[in-house]
Amino acid sequence: EAQVTQNPRYLITVTGKKLTVTCSQNMNHEYMSWYRQDPGLGLRQIYYSMNVEVTDKGDVPEGYKVSRKEKRNFPLILESPSPNQTSLYFCASSLYARVRDEKLFFGSGTQLSVL
Amino acid sequence: ILNVEQSPQSLHVQEGDSTNFTCSFPSSNFYALHWYRWETAKSPEALFVMTLNGDEKKKGRISATLNTKEGYSYLYIKGSQPEDSATYLCAFCPYSGGGADGLTFGKGTHLIIQP
Repeated sequence: EAQVTQNPRYLITVTGKKLTVTCSQNMNHEYMSWYRQDPGLGLRQIYYSMNVEVTDKGDVPEGYKVSRKEKRNFPLILESPSPNQTSLYFCASSLYARVRDEKLFFGSGTQLSVL
Repeated sequence: ILNVEQSPQSLHVQEGDSTNFTCSFPSSNFYALHWYRWETAKSPEALFVMTLNGDEKKKGRISATLNTKEGYSYLYIKGSQPEDSATYLCAFCPYSGGGADGLTFGKGTHLIIQP
């Protein structure tokens, strides 16, 4: 089944404890991206990647890192999480490097709470 | 930062009634407009990707129209059913790139179908 797999679904952590949220897609998509969703705000992009070893900042990249060593995986790393990073996170992928007129496929989401 | 507005923010509709809501976006440099449905506890799923002025797309009881010259798109749901309850997101992509990679999401319209 074609899908974007994101783990974990729920994560509670404490300030400063490094964590990684994994994202993997099995559709050979070139484009992958991370978004966060906060109440009253639209989906905001954190980082994106148009291909292996190519990553770029989105609108809200501060406090996050990503890597794209393989085409299928795009982990999100929080080196030193803070409470303002408490949010619902989505990974998404799309067939081509430029996402413009190709639909996004979303993962199931990760609800992160930083205490 | 591009302004993508969705209205209304929330909407309560009786089962069987038809409804519609709006996505407004800048009318200059249009490239594509995406619609996604996001059900509670699930991930957003693509409904339509629209690129041409005057375009109309249909998927079952859901349809969408696009007016790029005036900068709006309507999403219509005919004969609402409880399973239509969801948040509907639009995302705008300008020709020259909007958000970091081109997609800027609205905050969504939260639709509740009342039996």
